[in-house]
Amino acid sequence: SYELTQPSSVSVSPGQTARITCSGDVLAKKKYVRWFQQKSGQAPVLVIYKDTERPSGIPERFSGSSSGTTVTLTISGAQVEDEADYYCYSAADNIRVFGGGTKLT
Amino acid sequence: VKLVESGGGLVKPGGSLRLSCTCSGFTFKNVWMSWVRQAPGKGLEWVGRIQSEVDGWTEDYAAPVKGRFIISRDDSTNTTYLQLSGLKIEDTGVYYCTAWFGEMYPDYWGHGTPVTVSS
Repeated sequence: SYELTQPSSVSVSPGQTARITCSGDVLAKKKYVRWFQQKSGQAPVLVIYKDTERPSGIPERFSGSSSGTTVTLTISGAQVEDEADYYCYSAADNIRVFGGGTKLT
Repeated sequence: VKLVESGGGLVKPGGSLRLSCTCSGFTFKNVWMSWVRQAPGKGLEWVGRIQSEVDGWTEDYAAPVKGRFIISRDDSTNTTYLQLSGLKIEDTGVYYCTAWFGEMYPDYWGHGTPVTVSS
């Protein structure tokens, strides 16, 4: 089965840079990765698509990068309001898969 | 762009339920529609998707639901459906529909509808 592995938690102080990684053999298949932010009690919100692109309305402090079988979501100068669960998401053949999620504090 | 799910509720193990997702603000017939679920306190889980007519209305499903869930769509009413049958307690969660415009573009999500499977 295809799996994407994320750290269960990441903690930073306001203003610091938060980095959340996502790794898995499926990423070698050259499919683009998406990142979703989910705040408590809310629906997920797309923050990165096509590995590095930000949808309209997403702050510039959110960025994505990719290297081999690891992708990284970076939040530069993280704000208190960025506290949330973050999920990576990619595809393999006809199946889509989410990472297990990372709680950003 | 707006996606509104409905049809969730309480159902007994072994029972069935049909979820709906009505969409607006985009050309529905050209878009692949997916369903994602989230069990209480757990992460997101892809359930399955249906492609557009031009791509053959092909359906794909995650292993845990294959053979029990069916995704369909009605392009005349901009609605996609998720038929759940043979429900298990572990199917409990919030079910979201999503609109997929292709790898190069953002996707859009609804706010979800809750399903509880319990005796």
